Amino acid sequence: DIQMTQSPSSLSASVGDRVTITCRASQGISSYLNWYQQKPGKAPNLLIYVASRLQSGVPSRFSGSGSGTDFTLTISSLQPEDFAIYYCQQSYTTPRTFGQGTKVEIK
Amino acid sequence: VQLVETGGGLIQPGGSLRLSCAASGFNVSTNYMTWVRQAPGKGLEWVSIIYRGGDTYYADSVKGRFTISRDNSRNTVYLQMNSLRAEDTAVYHCAREVIVAVGADAFDIWGQGTMVTVSS
Repeated sequence: DIQMTQSPSSLSASVGDRVTITCRASQGISSYLNWYQQKPGKAPNLLIYVASRLQSGVPSRFSGSGSGTDFTLTISSLQPEDFAIYYCQQSYTTPRTFGQGTKVEIK
Repeated sequence: VQLVETGGGLIQPGGSLRLSCAASGFNVSTNYMTWVRQAPGKGLEWVSIIYRGGDTYYADSVKGRFTISRDNSRNTVYLQMNSLRAEDTAVYHCAREVIVAVGADAFDIWGQGTMVTVSS
């Protein structure tokens, strides 16, 4: 199985900050990498697919990059509604696997 | 377009439970449908998938104990869970996996989940 490792596991940031989360795959997955946002008590929500494509309805302050084994999710200017847990997920092979999550908290 | 899961509850170790995921706004028969679970305070764990053609795959942690199926007439996907263990305690979400680009899929629609607690 492909292991997905996110860093950091958590971070504290202020409204307006630029935030970057990284995700590393245990083997090359081309660009088959998705990012999800999950708020407490809610289902995950697709933000980015195929590493860098923005899902419809997702604000443009979210962006993704990377290919192969290293990927990043960037929030250009953190908003109050962005405090949540973010997960990466590979769709290169079955079983699909997720990173352990990155919790973005208010500083 | 939505997914609604039902069937969760408290069950003793070794017991069985069947979860249902009712879809509206699209057909489960023409989509890839998955189950993803989340233990309390933990991350997301992929559990199983049923493809359009009916092929199924499972995580090693549930292989041989869980069975995914669908009823096209009810537009519903099921997860039959047998020989349940304490470590199966989680919120179980069903999700639609769609093709977003050539060879690439993503989970675009999620249900709110149903809680399964395995405890004596």
